[in-house]
Amino acid sequence: DAGVIQSPRHEVTEMGQEVTLRCKPISGHDYLFWYRQTMMRGLELLIYFNNNVPIDDSGMPEDRFSAKMPNASFSTLKIQPSEPRDSAVYFCASRETGVGGELFFGEGSRLTVL
Amino acid sequence: SQQGEEDPQALSIQEGENATMNCSYKTSINNLQWYRQNSGRGLVHLILIRSNEREKHSGRLRVTLDTSKKSSSLLITASRAADTASYFCATGGGAAGNKLTFGGGTRVLVKP
Repeated sequence: DAGVIQSPRHEVTEMGQEVTLRCKPISGHDYLFWYRQTMMRGLELLIYFNNNVPIDDSGMPEDRFSAKMPNASFSTLKIQPSEPRDSAVYFCASRETGVGGELFFGEGSRLTVL
Repeated sequence: SQQGEEDPQALSIQEGENATMNCSYKTSINNLQWYRQNSGRGLVHLILIRSNEREKHSGRLRVTLDTSKKSSSLLITASRAADTASYFCATGGGAAGNKLTFGGGTRVLVKP
């Protein structure tokens, strides 16, 4: 299995531009999580899906952030418009069904907003 | 807010020495997990300990859990330069349900 695949690995954009981050979870995993990692705030859970349905988006910082999971093998995290404070590494992770099991992380998307 | 807090924030040791780091958490849990993150990479799961377990081993790793004190420790024995990484505890289940909440991490440097 190729693991969780994220793209792009690096993104540099200017303030106000739209950013779309993509994730392909491990086949057969029912849960998908989006995390953001910064030096100041550590790893923050933004949103998670179960069977393609958003379950908890309480960590999404504001309306500029949106996430979708149109099918079991693809999810996107969109920021529109982007701001410099959105600069961070964004991780996607997936896991099998069951409460609190092991998460499999992608390599992350490093976003820099100038 | 972070559920788990690791201590120390950073640790520097010589190869061959043991490394111990601690994690404290606040709410009830079903399990506690430890992850490793190498620089510039994603997190990798190391070990999971359930709330009804007190100690667990995996290779050179030893994890303890004290639910009465809401704390856990990770011991890496006979450390190697390749163990240089950040280590995170994460709590799941219980009050958090399906969420897995991570602490701030301990940066470990193993000097050859």
